[in-house]
Amino acid sequence: QSALTQPASVSGSPGQSITISCAGTSSDVGDYNLVSWYQHHPGKAPKLMIYEVSKRPSGVSNRFSGSKSGNTASLTISGLQAEDEADYSCCSYSHSSASVIFGGGTKLTVL
Amino acid sequence: QVQLQQAGPGLVKPSQTLTLTCAISGDGVSNNRAAWNWIRQSPSRGLEWLGRTYYRSKWYYDSAISVKSRIIINPDTSKNQVSLQLNSVTPEDTAVYYCARAGNGYPNWDFDYWGQGTLVTVSS
Repeated sequence: QSALTQPASVSGSPGQSITISCAGTSSDVGDYNLVSWYQHHPGKAPKLMIYEVSKRPSGVSNRFSGSKSGNTASLTISGLQAEDEADYSCCSYSHSSASVIFGGGTKLTVL
Repeated sequence: QVQLQQAGPGLVKPSQTLTLTCAISGDGVSNNRAAWNWIRQSPSRGLEWLGRTYYRSKWYYDSAISVKSRIIINPDTSKNQVSLQLNSVTPEDTAVYYCARAGNGYPNWDFDYWGQGTLVTVSS
């Protein structure tokens, strides 16, 4: 069982927006602005999409945005494209482990 | 452009040592803003951070509690690479192993470049 809770799957049609949630606790997501999100296509290396809750690395589309409310972080993808179909995992610093913990991953299907 | 190239065996026998290397190009293992991490992914455990090393006037090492007694992460400045050793492996250690750079400076907990991944199976 993963430490951060994500929905197993989400789906959306091209052009729509979707949001993936990442539920943690006051010892991780709720207490630190150290949440990151990774996109993972099968057989490829994960790609950093969002770091420190809402910052976008250079080269990542502005269709990807991150936010946090309380103990839950969220990744929103607007204007869905077929290439966005992938697994998405959240990650947060955890005081309990003095390191990072990950969510179980969410499979995004673009219909 | 930073690239991480992993190497190592895909099959390890139970009780033996898993050893992987991660050759770095486009950056230096001694970069004092980066940290070099090992992360694994398995169907049962998902993504799991294992440990890291970083240089800030001297070398520092951190590791996950779950593998603390079995893990060694070593930087090699002459080869500009970092290695992972995981001792006394069991089938539970079967996973895809990744090396990853955290290059955005302190506190270095976001992984901006990843290796290609190595599937390591622990089996006799």
